[in-house]
Amino acid sequence: DAGVIQSPRHEVTEMGQEVTLRCKPISGHDYLFWYRQTMMRGLELLIYFNNNVPIDDSGMPEDRFSAKMPNASFSTLKIQPSEPRDSAVYFCASTKGELWTGELFFGEGSRLTVL
Amino acid sequence: SQQGEEDPQALSIQEGENATMNCSYKTSINNLQWYRQNSGRGLVHLILIRSNEREKHSGRLRVTLDTSKKSSSLLITASRAADTASYFCATDAWGGGNKLTFGTGTQLKVEL
Repeated sequence: DAGVIQSPRHEVTEMGQEVTLRCKPISGHDYLFWYRQTMMRGLELLIYFNNNVPIDDSGMPEDRFSAKMPNASFSTLKIQPSEPRDSAVYFCASTKGELWTGELFFGEGSRLTVL
Repeated sequence: SQQGEEDPQALSIQEGENATMNCSYKTSINNLQWYRQNSGRGLVHLILIRSNEREKHSGRLRVTLDTSKKSSSLLITASRAADTASYFCATDAWGGGNKLTFGTGTQLKVEL
């Protein structure tokens, strides 16, 4: 399997612009997670899906952030409008089944810089 | 502070030495996992230990879990330069939903 695929790997944009990050989970995985990593706050869970349904979005910082999973093989994280404090590395991860039995598989991340 | 804090924040050792990293957490857990992150890359799973286990081995890795102290340690024996990375513990909190909460990480540097 190709692993979790994220795009773009790097994105530089200006404040106020819309940003869309994309993720393709591993085939057959029924859970998908979006994390954000910064030096100050470490790894934060933003939202996770089970069978394409959002289960917990309590980590989404504010209404500027939205995430969708229209089908089992694709998810997006959108920031509109973007702000400099959104600069971070955004990771997508997937797994099959409950986490008490298994591991998360991470993508390589999307590094976002908002000027 | 975060669920899952690693200690030390940074560790520098010579190749061949052992590296020990510690993790403390706050709530009851189902399991605890350790992940590795090379610079500029995604996280990679190393090992999982369940709440009813006390010790687990995988190759050069040894993990211990003390649920009474809410702490875990990761030991890497006979370290190599290629072990240079950041190491994170992650907990699956009991009753917390199907999600992992990551610690702050330990940056390990193994010098030749």
